[in-house]
Amino acid sequence: SQQGEEDPQALSIQEGENATMNCSYKTSINNLQWYRQNSGRGLVHLILIRSNEREKHSGRLRVTLDTSKKSSSLLITASRAADTASYFCATATYSGGSNYKLTFGKGTLLTVNP
Amino acid sequence: EADIYQTPRYLVIGTGKKITLECSQTMGHDKMYWYQQDPGMELHLIHYSYGVNSTEKGDLSSESTVSRIRTEHFPLTLESARPSHTSQYLCASSASGSNQPQHFGDGTRLSIL
Repeated sequence: SQQGEEDPQALSIQEGENATMNCSYKTSINNLQWYRQNSGRGLVHLILIRSNEREKHSGRLRVTLDTSKKSSSLLITASRAADTASYFCATATYSGGSNYKLTFGKGTLLTVNP
Repeated sequence: EADIYQTPRYLVIGTGKKITLECSQTMGHDKMYWYQQDPGMELHLIHYSYGVNSTEKGDLSSESTVSRIRTEHFPLTLESARPSHTSQYLCASSASGSNQPQHFGDGTRLSIL
């Protein structure tokens, strides 16, 4: 069954507005990661938040993690047209030895209109 | 951007052909992965490797095979391509450790006629 699920599936905003995407998951995790995928390209890692962290910032990105609710949110502030992409959350769970497995959600398609 | 390369970027080929998708990384990562992604959908792990001569099947059953003879190279092979294999295939690598991101190539978009 799917571990991470993003909400909403699609989001359309105007340039300069903030965009918030949510991710829910089902099992205990080691960390949660957010990735961006531009059309026809591979995924680019944005930010990683560990299970013992509650909030993390990187430039215009702010990620929160609530392990009691098994949820995370990604906030992009002052959005730009270049932020138009699909955004995926991925949960890392322990899979034995020193290894961790990443499970991706279906993603949120963000469109930022100029 | 990370130093991980996939070739070809696009491949249109007829049913029954043998194909190999190439993936190479220059970061010295021990761990490498192959994902399958249909348009607008999530990624599904089909193969992974934790080092040379180590390969494992992922969560999604796939008729493809992989090999890991060198650290930097992780090719995926389909012995006899079928239309059901049409998809995008993404290769990724990561360093060892518990809090390491994965670095992705730009993918191969495969169409089997």
